[in-house]
Amino acid sequence: DIQMTQSPSSLSASVGDRVTITCRASQGISNYLAWYQQKPGKVPKLLIYAASTLQPGVPSRFSGSGSGTDFTLTISSLQPEDVATYYCQKYNSAPKTFGQGTKLEIK
Amino acid sequence: EVQLLESGGGLVQPGGSLRLSCAASGFTFSTYAMSWVRQAPGKGLEWVSAISAGGTGTYYADSVKGRFTISRDNSRNTLYLQMTSLRAEDTAVYYCAKVRDPTPPDAFDIWGQGTMVTVSS
Repeated sequence: DIQMTQSPSSLSASVGDRVTITCRASQGISNYLAWYQQKPGKVPKLLIYAASTLQPGVPSRFSGSGSGTDFTLTISSLQPEDVATYYCQKYNSAPKTFGQGTKLEIK
Repeated sequence: EVQLLESGGGLVQPGGSLRLSCAASGFTFSTYAMSWVRQAPGKGLEWVSAISAGGTGTYYADSVKGRFTISRDNSRNTLYLQMTSLRAEDTAVYYCAKVRDPTPPDAFDIWGQGTMVTVSS
């Protein structure tokens, strides 16, 4: 099975900072990669699908890139409401594995 | 409004069984593949199982294969997860999730609120 590895596991940044989270697949998955945001006590929310397509309603400060095995989620200017855990997920085939998550905090 | 509402969670003893349900509304349920995803307390997301729109294709994580069965009733707009031989490590919030587009494969755009399953004696 393909493994999904995120880095870092946790991250602390200041408001206004540019933040980047990476996700690596153990084998190529083309662009079948999604990013989710889960705020404390809340349900996961789809941010990006097809590696780089923003889900409607998601702020434009979020962006995704990558293809094959290496992917990134970028927040161009960190806002206080972005405090959350972020997960990548491969969905090209089962098992639709999630990364272990990246916990993002405000410094 | 598109909604998913899980039910059926609770406390069960190790080795026991439980059936979760997910009632869908606000979209044409029969045209979308569905999945179950779980989250153990304080842990990350774990994909559990998926089912095709028509119900003929089912898929499972290795951790639940042979113990869990996913099914759907498109006439009732309801997704199910039959869980047997439950273990302590199955303790988690179980979410049902809808894929974004009827043409597979796709990401999960709508999630239910989750139902808690606790396996303990």
